[in-house]
Amino acid sequence: GAVVSQHPSWVICKSGTSVKIECRSLDFQATTMFWYRQFPKQSLMLMATSNEGSKATYEQGVEKDKFLINHASLTLSTLTVTSAHPEDSSFYICSAIFGGSSYNSPLHFGNGTRLTVT
Amino acid sequence: DAKTTQPNSMESNEEEPVHLPCNHSTISGTDYIHWYRQLPSQGPEYVIHGLTSNVNNRMASLAIAEDRKSSTLILHRATLRDAAVYYCILRNAGKSTFGDGTTLTVKP
Repeated sequence: GAVVSQHPSWVICKSGTSVKIECRSLDFQATTMFWYRQFPKQSLMLMATSNEGSKATYEQGVEKDKFLINHASLTLSTLTVTSAHPEDSSFYICSAIFGGSSYNSPLHFGNGTRLTVT
Repeated sequence: DAKTTQPNSMESNEEEPVHLPCNHSTISGTDYIHWYRQLPSQGPEYVIHGLTSNVNNRMASLAIAEDRKSSTLILHRATLRDAAVYYCILRNAGKSTFGDGTTLTVKP
């Protein structure tokens, strides 16, 4: 089945530094990838939709200058949390679609990245 | 965006069937009904999806009401590994919004 690899699985960084999270589709081309954030005991919150070769579309309330998304190839999207602060500590999850943006296509999720900002 | 509502929690005994309901009364004709489940500290896992007809796969069955305003995920024999948060979402031209999901507890 379709596999999405997310790296790193966890990261601890100091306040004010930047962290990059990678999301790769290992065995399929993903024209569209999604980035979510999940706080403890809460549901997934969509942050942005990333399309290969174009600018990401951010959800309302998500700062695009703080959460930089790059989708430079059909198999890789990256999320960079810039100038991280403790309130950015969360579980970040990516997902990708095999087969373009068809709504008949399942979402394939990475295993998430636990970010802790000290 | 069309919303879904699910019970916060459900319990089941091991090896018994489980029926997880989902209401989506504002569903549109082009919305696909998707189900995912999530274990602690992991990304969600795809379970099943459908449009109008009932669907079966190796993990579960999906029963869709005739008016499509509700659906039920059926786990035929629950195991301890099925304990997870189950999310029912609608996928269409809009955003796929995750609700709070149902936390399934499976008792041995």
